[in-house]
Amino acid sequence: AQSVTQPDIHITVSEGASLELRCNYSYGATPYLFWYVQSPGQGLQLLLKYFSGDTLVQGIKGFEAEFKRSQSSFNLRKPSVHWSDAAEYFCGCDYKLSFGAGTTVTVRA
Amino acid sequence: DAGVTQSPTHLIKTRGQQVTLRCSPKSGHDTVSWYQQALGQGPQFIFQYYEEEERQRGNFPDRFSGHQFPNYSSELNVNALLLGDSALYLCASSLGQTEQYFGPGTRLTVT
Repeated sequence: AQSVTQPDIHITVSEGASLELRCNYSYGATPYLFWYVQSPGQGLQLLLKYFSGDTLVQGIKGFEAEFKRSQSSFNLRKPSVHWSDAAEYFCGCDYKLSFGAGTTVTVRA
Repeated sequence: DAGVTQSPTHLIKTRGQQVTLRCSPKSGHDTVSWYQQALGQGPQFIFQYYEEEERQRGNFPDRFSGHQFPNYSSELNVNALLLGDSALYLCASSLGQTEQYFGPGTRLTVT
């Protein structure tokens, strides 16, 4: 069974609009959770991570994510998207070092 | 401070051949993990090395093997290549089980 699920394959958002990417995990204990971004032909860059403590975590490039145990979710948000945010985003967890299938974000002018 | 480096950048091999990919971890990191990323897919975990031992392994056949050296660098070997092995191979390093830092990857094409 997949440990991490990203329900949205592709999201299109206008520049300046808000963005939310969904991530759900299936794991008994509280996992370590991550969000990575991948630009075309590049490796993965860590945006933010959750290990424990405050459930709202801040990352780089203006991103934040909220861990909700009751919903087994770790959604990524950004209040105002820039054209440079167009990329593929992956949610991952430390359980068997799993990643979701990714969400492609397209930003329209 | 150099990040994670991988070599080569690109590689073309023929079915049945063997290939070795190399990874140097970020300075101060002692753990190396390897991933396979097929086109349009998320990274799939192959295995992880720590203290020169394979610590975890994903659902990959024995054709995929690895090694970690005393300087923490690592190699991924794939034998009897199949067309389906064509992918981007990513190496990630970490200090123990903390967050991973990824290299740019090696693009392997099997013809």
